[in-house]
Amino acid sequence: NAGVTQTPKFQVLKTGQSMTLQCAQDMNHEYMSWYRQDPGMGLRLIHYSVGAGITDQGEVPNGYNVSRSTTEDFPLRLLSAAPSQTSVYFCASSLQLDSPRFFGPGTRLTVL
Amino acid sequence: DAKTTQPPSMDCAEGRAANLPCNHSTISGNEYVYWYRQIHSQGPQYIIHGLKNNETNEMASLIITEDRKSSTLILPHATLRDTAVYYCIAHGPNSGYALNFGKGTSLLVTP
Repeated sequence: NAGVTQTPKFQVLKTGQSMTLQCAQDMNHEYMSWYRQDPGMGLRLIHYSVGAGITDQGEVPNGYNVSRSTTEDFPLRLLSAAPSQTSVYFCASSLQLDSPRFFGPGTRLTVL
Repeated sequence: DAKTTQPPSMDCAEGRAANLPCNHSTISGNEYVYWYRQIHSQGPQYIIHGLKNNETNEMASLIITEDRKSSTLILPHATLRDTAVYYCIAHGPNSGYALNFGKGTSLLVTP
């Protein structure tokens, strides 16, 4: 059981570039989500999914796109990167809404 | 999520029990108390959760007061690897999806 995996671990982008952060889980969890963590801000929810084909916005969704075509994968797309999106991004999954969340190791993104 | 209050920082000697308190006086009847921790630069790690009864697993024990207004996470024999930020979160089926991690308690385990 690999749990929740994220790639890449580190990424540097230039302003305006696009990229996709990958997240996969092998626990057959229905719920998956993306958080960002900034110094002094705590973790903030970007988008989440309650199952394949169903996604919804979290607290800070602007500038990010998601889709969920399979139970296992939940990629996060940055459409046009901005310096304000410099952050550490964590993916998480859970069996149910009020089940414990399992987090991936994170992706450190820097936008220049 | 109901609001939770934790001390910003605590110290604990290695090998001793670490007792981390959390106040959640406005917790509703169907909200669980969850504890997570985040070791520097890593993803948050689930530790334990409970509704009313005390809970124990291989990592920790959770003591919830009878009125459910506060709880204590106990790490029975703290090690240096337990140095982390610990988050107490009240969350239930009516809380929405987002978890409110707040600022947590920064626990430093010293040799």
